[in-house]
Amino acid sequence: AQSVTQPDIHITVSEGASLELRCNYSYGATPYLFWYVQSPGQGLQLLLKYFSGDTLVQGIKGFEAEFKRSQSSFNLRKPSVHWSDAAEYFCAVSEPGGFKTIFGAGTRLFVKA
Amino acid sequence: DGGITQSPKYLFRKEGQNVTLSCEQNLNHDAMYWYRQDPGQGLRLIYYSQIVNDFQKGDIAEGYSVSREKKESFPLTVTSAQKNPTAFYLCASSMAGAGTGELFFGEGSRLTVL
Repeated sequence: AQSVTQPDIHITVSEGASLELRCNYSYGATPYLFWYVQSPGQGLQLLLKYFSGDTLVQGIKGFEAEFKRSQSSFNLRKPSVHWSDAAEYFCAVSEPGGFKTIFGAGTRLFVKA
Repeated sequence: DGGITQSPKYLFRKEGQNVTLSCEQNLNHDAMYWYRQDPGQGLRLIYYSQIVNDFQKGDIAEGYSVSREKKESFPLTVTSAQKNPTAFYLCASSMAGAGTGELFFGEGSRLTVL
């Protein structure tokens, strides 16, 4: 069965510091991979997605993620965090052509001044 | 502006009562979904619908029901059979299945059972 693991429940970084959020997935083949962001009390917004091709994908708000097949990982990165990036981040996978998206438990990001 | 509208944003109910959460989209998307969000558990799929008059159970459908009479609308009823209904509920849509693109989410409805 598909599953997504986000090992870090919460992370605190200083404003201006770099960020990496980890995501590991379990799936027989290469799934479609997504990162979403959620502000408190709001819905989710797509940051970026990977279907195939270049393993480094760029998203909105200066985020990028790298797909590593050998490690079954899809980690999210940002070189310099802004206070407005404080939110919860969800990694997700889906079967190509399918209708189910499986979400990780989320990582809450705190940004300190 | 195109998007997904969920209502109400906050809802309180007594035990034993059914409640219906509304979800309307004007994105002309075929597929619609209901997710439940609990702290520390991510999002879990309740029901999804690929086309009008058709829907499938997700991973946690027990105690919930849905209908899809119009392309734009996908209401969720939380029945009295749902043992732990207090949660944040998110409606989403996509163009042709989650596997082909992104999910577009509403702002959610928070249900509290008193």
